[in-house]
Amino acid sequence: DAGVIQSPRHEVTEMGQEVTLRCKPISGHNSLFWYRQTMMRGLELLIYFNNNVPIDDSGMPEDRFSAKMPNASFSTLKIQPSEPRDSAVYFCASSPGLEPGAFFGQGTRLTVV
Amino acid sequence: SQQGEEDPQALSIQEGENATMNCSYKTSINNLQWYRQNSGRGLVHLILIRSNEREKHSGRLRVTLDTSKKSSSLLITASRAADTASYFCATVFYNQGGKLIFGQGTELSVKP
Repeated sequence: DAGVIQSPRHEVTEMGQEVTLRCKPISGHNSLFWYRQTMMRGLELLIYFNNNVPIDDSGMPEDRFSAKMPNASFSTLKIQPSEPRDSAVYFCASSPGLEPGAFFGQGTRLTVV
Repeated sequence: SQQGEEDPQALSIQEGENATMNCSYKTSINNLQWYRQNSGRGLVHLILIRSNEREKHSGRLRVTLDTSKKSSSLLITASRAADTASYFCATVFYNQGGKLIFGQGTELSVKP
């Protein structure tokens, strides 16, 4: 398996533009997590899904953020409109269940100018 | 809010020495996991310890869990320069569908 695949790896966009981050989890994994990592706030859990259903989106910072998981092999995180403070590395991770642990993608480095 | 807090925030040691990192958490958990992150990369799962376990080993890694103190420690023995990375603890909540929350991490530097 190729692991968790995120795209794009890098994204530079102007303030106000819509940004869509994509994630392909490992086949057979039924949990999917979206995290945001910054120096100031560390690794924040934004939202997670079980069996394609959002379980907890309390970490989503504002209504500008939305996430979907239309099927077991694909998820998106959308920011509309983007702001400079959204600049961060966004990670997607998937897990086969409560154990053994989560498998992370390589992340998307987002820069909003 | 963050569940786990790691201590120290940064640790610098010489190759061959042991490195100990600590993690404290606030609420009851089902299991606790440790991850490693190399600069610019995604996190890699290292080891999991269940709430009813006290100690676990994997190669040069030793993890302990004290649920009465709500704390865990990760010991890396005979460290190598390649162990240089950030290490994170993460807590899992089964009654919240497997919610996985990370601490702030410890930045380990192993000098050759």
